[in-house]
This record gives sequence, C-alpha cells and structure tokens, in this order.
Amino acid sequence: KAGVTQTPRYLIKTRGQQVTLSCSPISGHRSVSWYQQTPGQGLQFLFEYFSETQRNKGNFPGRFSGRQFSNSRSEMNVSTLELGDSALYLCASSLEAGSGANVLTFGAGSRLTVL
Amino acid sequence: DAKTTQPPSMDCAEGRAANLPCNHSTISGNEYVYWYRQIHSQGPQYIIHGLKNNETNEMASLIITEDRKSSTLILPHATLRDTAVYYCIVRGASGTYKYIFGTGTRLKVLA
Repeated sequence: KAGVTQTPRYLIKTRGQQVTLSCSPISGHRSVSWYQQTPGQGLQFLFEYFSETQRNKGNFPGRFSGRQFSNSRSEMNVSTLELGDSALYLCASSLEAGSGANVLTFGAGSRLTVL
Repeated sequence: DAKTTQPPSMDCAEGRAANLPCNHSTISGNEYVYWYRQIHSQGPQYIIHGLKNNETNEMASLIITEDRKSSTLILPHATLRDTAVYYCIVRGASGTYKYIFGTGTRLKVLA
C-alpha cells in the first residue's frame, strides 16, 4: 500500500512569506502528526490531528497552524516565515484504532529553506 | 519533554550485535516502549515496540527489564546500513498522549 506522501519535498521561501505543506496519510489511518527537525533542536512535536480535530499541540508559536480534512489528509501552515523556520518538516500517520500500541509511519519530509 | 535517556553515540563492528540502551525510569503502567531509527534525514522508521514482555521481529529484539525502567534494542548482526540515529520513546496507550522524540543514539557501524 502507498506510504505517507508529503508535498512539496523541497521549497525555498523568503522571510515574511507563508508556506503550506501537505500530507496524505496511509489509507485508513485517522491520525496525522507533524514534527519539525532542525540540527540544533532535533525532532520537535508540532501538533497532531485525529478525525479533523487537533488533539495535541507542541510548544510552537501561533504562526504554526494545521488542519485535517475529512479524508484524513492534513496541511500545516507557517505564516510570517523567519530564518529559524528553516527545517525538515515531517508528517506521520497512524491507525489509532483505540487503546494499545500505536505505530507511526513517517513521510519523507518537506525541506523548507527560508532566505 | 522526552521521558527517555539514551547515550548520544555508540560504535559497533559490522557483523556484531549492536546493543542500544534506553533508560525510562519514570515509565508508567500503560506506557509502551517504541524504537525508531532515522537514516540520513529520511523520515524515522519504526523498528519495534513492547509493553512488558521481550519482543522480536525481523529487524531487532527488544529486551525490557522486569521493573520496566530500562530497555535494550538489539540488532543481532549489524550492517553498515544500520548506521543511523536510534530513538527510544515511551508513550501511553491513549491517543491523548504525545509522541515525544528525545535526542537519540547515533549508532555508527564500522567496517
């Protein structure tokens, strides 16, 4: 089956612009989570969506937002870009069938460079 | 914050077993232990998980101590392709828990 698809894979923006990243989860997966990875901070949790609702949120400013659609596809948006937003943005999906173990499947990521 | 502690780096000779430790002394009863690895800025890849019992799959074995305060990931015959950053994560069974990655262990497999 198809894996987690993230688009675009690479993009370059300038300070002050905004960006929208897309994530298509594995078919049947209802949870989508987003992570930011930078050399200095490692993998940091941004937020998680489940059935179109944000269920968890990390410690990021309000410039970072996201949403999930009824088909479980998710987008994240970063407004007023700063140089420090340059990072690899990773999306992961999971089945979330209920209680019990929950395995994440990651996409290849979207690499954002802010100039 | 991450609930696990891992050594920042380890080396292993090719063909030998790689034993990666993880401390999770504050783990609670319903929290699973997961291991993922990340190769060269690709998305992290799931390896294995466990709750109380030791687990084995085609990639690795997971040994969890009886008190569940620590665990060890074992790659039985490490190859150069196993060079990666390995993350140990604990997370509760409910979906309300966040999946928090720590800094991981950078494993280097030496030829």
